[in-house]
Amino acid sequence: EVQLVESGGGLVQPGRSLRLSCAASGFNFADYAMHWVRQAPGKGLEWVSGISWNGGSIGYADSVKGRFTISRDNAKNSLYLQMNSLRAEDTALYYCAKDSYSYGYSDYWGQGTLVTVSS
Amino acid sequence: DIQMTQSPSTLSASVGDRVTITCRASQSINNWLAWYQQKPGKAPKLLIYKASSLVSGVPSRFSGSGSGTEFTLTISSLQPDDFATYYCQQYNNYLLLTFGGGTKVEIK
Repeated sequence: EVQLVESGGGLVQPGRSLRLSCAASGFNFADYAMHWVRQAPGKGLEWVSGISWNGGSIGYADSVKGRFTISRDNAKNSLYLQMNSLRAEDTALYYCAKDSYSYGYSDYWGQGTLVTVSS
Repeated sequence: DIQMTQSPSTLSASVGDRVTITCRASQSINNWLAWYQQKPGKAPKLLIYKASSLVSGVPSRFSGSGSGTEFTLTISSLQPDDFATYYCQQYNNYLLLTFGGGTKVEIK
């Protein structure tokens, strides 16, 4: 059974940093691209970042480019999102999502970890 | 970047109704389009990929069509379990994705 479990969310002050993790199990993690998708309270889905199976290719939404860094550790079956210079508008539920392969649509999602940026 | 525009943003319908949701891309994405269903407090669920391919286990009342810049999600006979929010998502580049704004399907 595919499982994606996010962690690392919490309350953080504007300008500070936070690192999210996603622990994957139930599939061969190293074979698949992965994504972070967020959802602000009461709002729609926003793709944040994606990473290829080996970490060699990465993409970011314009809203986080230069502030967020995605990475993965295939030996640990884990995906990460380093978030720096956080802003109030980064407040959201952050989902880890497994790509169907390296196509761009996600067939499995975690339950999300909540990030709240507030002073 | 490719923008995705969904309409309507809210839709009121009754059980048994035929429901259609439209998604338009700002440029051609061939058929690289997925549809998701999201219920309150839950993660999104993949329904359709490649514009019209139904995910295994998804009821056949759901169907997708379109190519290029215009796409539709149709629910042929709305069921109580279908009241949810639906999102389209383009994947013309698998590392530069965009979601539509969402369509909330409400009970009339």
